[in-house]
Amino acid sequence: AQSVTQPDIHITVSEGASLELRCNYSYGATPYLFWYVQSPGQGLQLLLKYFSGDTLVQGIKGFEAEFKRSQSSFNLRKPSVHWSDAAEYFCAVGEGPGANNLFFGTGTRLTVIP
Amino acid sequence: KAGVTQTPRYLIKTRGQQVTLSCSPISGHRSVSWYQQTPGQGLQFLFEYFSETQRNKGNFPGRFSGRQFSNSRSEMNVSTLELGDSALYLCASSLGRGGSHEQYFGPGTRLTVT
Repeated sequence: AQSVTQPDIHITVSEGASLELRCNYSYGATPYLFWYVQSPGQGLQLLLKYFSGDTLVQGIKGFEAEFKRSQSSFNLRKPSVHWSDAAEYFCAVGEGPGANNLFFGTGTRLTVIP
Repeated sequence: KAGVTQTPRYLIKTRGQQVTLSCSPISGHRSVSWYQQTPGQGLQFLFEYFSETQRNKGNFPGRFSGRQFSNSRSEMNVSTLELGDSALYLCASSLGRGGSHEQYFGPGTRLTVT
């Protein structure tokens, strides 16, 4: 069965510092991987996705993620965090073509210190 | 292009009642998925509709049901409400065909059951 683990419940970083949010997945075939961000009281916004090809994917707001099949990981990174990045971040895995049922991790809450 | 809209945004119901939530997808999108978000269980997939047919279903009791209309708008219904049904219900739309699996989420309906 598919599953996603986000080992860090809460991360605090200083503004301008780099960020890495961890995500590990469990899926038998090539996964469809996503990162979403949720601000308080809002829905989810797609940051980036990986389906195939280049394992380093670029997303919106300066985020990137690297797919590492050997480690079953899809970590999210940003070189310099802005105060507006404070939010909850969710990693998700999809089953593949024709399947829109995503399995989400429990999320990582990011706090940014001025 | 307008985003995914959900109505109502907030709802308070009493145990035992039923509730209907509505979702209007992005124009041209034919797939609508529903998710439940709670602090304890996180984000869980409820079901997906594509071209008025339920294509996938999560592990929820039969009290949770949905439908999709010919204009792709979708409704979900919860009957005999329980306290544990209090949650943020998120709707997501996508094109629905193989290839792109980008799901765009609405702001959600916050349901409180008292």
